[in-house]
Amino acid sequence: QKEVEQDPGPLSVPEGAIVSLNCTYSNSAFQYFMWYRQYSRKGPELLMYTYSSGNKEDGRFTAQVDKSSKYISLFIRDSQPSDSATYLCANRRGRAGGKLIFGQGTELSVKP
Amino acid sequence: ETGVTQTPRHLVMGMTNKKSLKCEQHLGHNAMYWYKQSAKKPLELMFVYNFKEQTENNSVPSRFSPECPNSSHLFLHLHTLQPEDSALYLCASSQGHGGASDTQYFGPGTRLTVL
Repeated sequence: QKEVEQDPGPLSVPEGAIVSLNCTYSNSAFQYFMWYRQYSRKGPELLMYTYSSGNKEDGRFTAQVDKSSKYISLFIRDSQPSDSATYLCANRRGRAGGKLIFGQGTELSVKP
Repeated sequence: ETGVTQTPRHLVMGMTNKKSLKCEQHLGHNAMYWYKQSAKKPLELMFVYNFKEQTENNSVPSRFSPECPNSSHLFLHLHTLQPEDSALYLCASSQGHGGASDTQYFGPGTRLTVL
């Protein structure tokens, strides 16, 4: 079993839709949870990070973590064509220099 | 310059060549990382340096040799690579303390093609 799993998509939605991206993990030792956005031929860009169960909101983005079920979600409200990218979830333990374990990424396309 | 920079952005090399990838971070971080991203696969950690000391080698073949002369610079020396080593090589940096805010920031990557 992979430590972090994501549906690779592709996921296609119309502009203005609410997008739900999901990720599951298997290692209870993970303490920190991140979402990165990666445009084609670019490096990943940090969107949000969280470390507790519950919701964290930043503009149109909401990250949700449920540690009891090892389930992580990213919601995008009022999606825009500029949101078209691959979204990567990543987890890590709490030790210094701890490595990120990434999911495969979900490719999102927002159509005008 | 700000953030994390990588050079070159693109590299084509033969299997017998020797080349080096360079990463520089301007964020005052103490930890630096090399990741490999192959098509349709998750990012794979290769090496971690924290305060210039290598703290992780993720079973990487010896044809990849990292070097971290100081906390701002990281190199990946390449020699006798294989075509399957063709990938996007990403450098990242973070504060390195392991706490909640110890998030990793990535450079744009070097697109490597091995012929």
